[in-house]
Amino acid sequence: EVQLLESGGGLVQPGGSLRLSCAASGFTFSSYAMSWVRQAPGKGLEWVSAISGSGGSTYYADSVKGRFTISRDNSKDTLYLQMNSLRGEDTAVYYCAKQIGDMVTHPFDFWGQGTLVTVSS
Amino acid sequence: DIQMTQSPSSLSASVGYRVTITCRASQSIYRYLNWYQQKPGKAPKLLIYTASTLHSGVPSRFSGTGSGTDFTLTISSLRPEDFATYYCQQSYSVPLTFGGGTKVEIK
Repeated sequence: EVQLLESGGGLVQPGGSLRLSCAASGFTFSSYAMSWVRQAPGKGLEWVSAISGSGGSTYYADSVKGRFTISRDNSKDTLYLQMNSLRGEDTAVYYCAKQIGDMVTHPFDFWGQGTLVTVSS
Repeated sequence: DIQMTQSPSSLSASVGYRVTITCRASQSIYRYLNWYQQKPGKAPKLLIYTASTLHSGVPSRFSGTGSGTDFTLTISSLRPEDFATYYCQQSYSVPLTFGGGTKVEIK
C-alpha cells in the first residue's frame, strides 16, 4: 500500500525558513517523480515543485523559484522541500504527491495527508 | 504558462442526476488532462488521467472526454459520496497547472 507522510509544517515568521519532509513507503521510491502541491485556505490547488526519480531534474513554480528547494534521498525514501524567505502568501497546506511514472509531467496518483504551513508574525 | 478554466465553479444537483463539468486549456494540451476529486479536509484523489483513462478503483460512473483544449468530466448518476470539489490539471508542460475547481453540492 502506497503511503506518503508529510511532516515539518508549523507557524513561522515572515522571512523565516522551514523544511518539509515526506516519508514514502509501499513503492520503489526512486522509480517515480514526486511533487509538492499546496492549497491556501479556502483556495484551489497550486503545483509548487517537482523532482525526477533520480533527483537529477528539478522544476519550480515561478512563485517559489529562488526561495524553495526540492530534493530527495532515495536511500531513505524521503522527499524534502526547503522553504526560505517565507511570505504570507506561502501559507497553505502542502501535499507531497507521487507521480504515475518518472516524468515530472505525469499525473499525481497518490497524495499525502498534507502539512499546514502558516507564515505570520 | 497554460491556463486552465473550469466551469461551472459550482453546481447543485440531486442524487441520481447526470453531471457534466468542463475544463478548457489556453492552448492545446493534446490529451494530457487529468481530473481529481477532493472532499473537505482531505487530500485530492486521482479520478481520470490522459483525458479518459479511469484510475484504478474509480467507479465507472465517472468518465472523461476531450482533446486539444476542451475536456469534460461526467458523472453518469450522482451518488451521495460524489459531493466534492473537482479539479482538472494539465500535465502537458511545466509549470503544471490546475483549474479553479468545481464544487458539486447537494440540491
